[in-house]
Amino acid sequence: GEDVEQSLFLSVREGDSSVINCTYTDSSSTYLYWYKQEPGAGLQLLTYIFSNMDMKQDQRLTVLLNKKDKHLSLRIADTQTGDSAIYFCAEKLTGGGNKLTFGTGTQLKVEL
Amino acid sequence: NAGVTQTPKFQVLKTGQSMTLQCAQDMNHNSMYWYRQDPGMGLRLIYYSASEGTTDKGEVPNGYNVSRLNKREFSLRLESAAPSQTSVYFCASGTLQFFGPGTRLTVL
Repeated sequence: GEDVEQSLFLSVREGDSSVINCTYTDSSSTYLYWYKQEPGAGLQLLTYIFSNMDMKQDQRLTVLLNKKDKHLSLRIADTQTGDSAIYFCAEKLTGGGNKLTFGTGTQLKVEL
Repeated sequence: NAGVTQTPKFQVLKTGQSMTLQCAQDMNHNSMYWYRQDPGMGLRLIYYSASEGTTDKGEVPNGYNVSRLNKREFSLRLESAAPSQTSVYFCASGTLQFFGPGTRLTVL
């Protein structure tokens, strides 16, 4: 079945690293995505990783994928107040017609 | 290049009223999607259109209909609104799913 889980909240201090975790249950995922949603706005694609990769780095963002444990994480280095938002992970399944299954979102709060 | 646009931004309906949410994209994407977002439930797919002329049900299609008018436009219709349809509705397009700004709908 398709189920994507995330913790609801994460609080970090400005300048620290943030790690947002996600677990999924369907091993036929082809791509996994991270989206950011700021208050009152739509979702913005941050990054994505193909399922045969272990890691992808893009400036302050590092995505780690442990396919054996079906675990995905997003690390934000040097977290800033502008990073405060809700972060969603999502998976795309093989043969899913480009449909994505989203997690419930993790609210990241960055404190001074 | 506006990306994905949605109208209206806000709407209040009474139970039983009907309305159509509009979505348009200017990125020449084949696929388009309608989601609803409710607190604590993430985004749930209502309907999607893999290409012009095709539509398919998603996870929560009951109470909704869609029309893929052309490659650019994908509309979502509520024929008889219910309070359970109070939500934020997002349209997205393309394989990487670029999202519109959303429509905040309240059904009284």
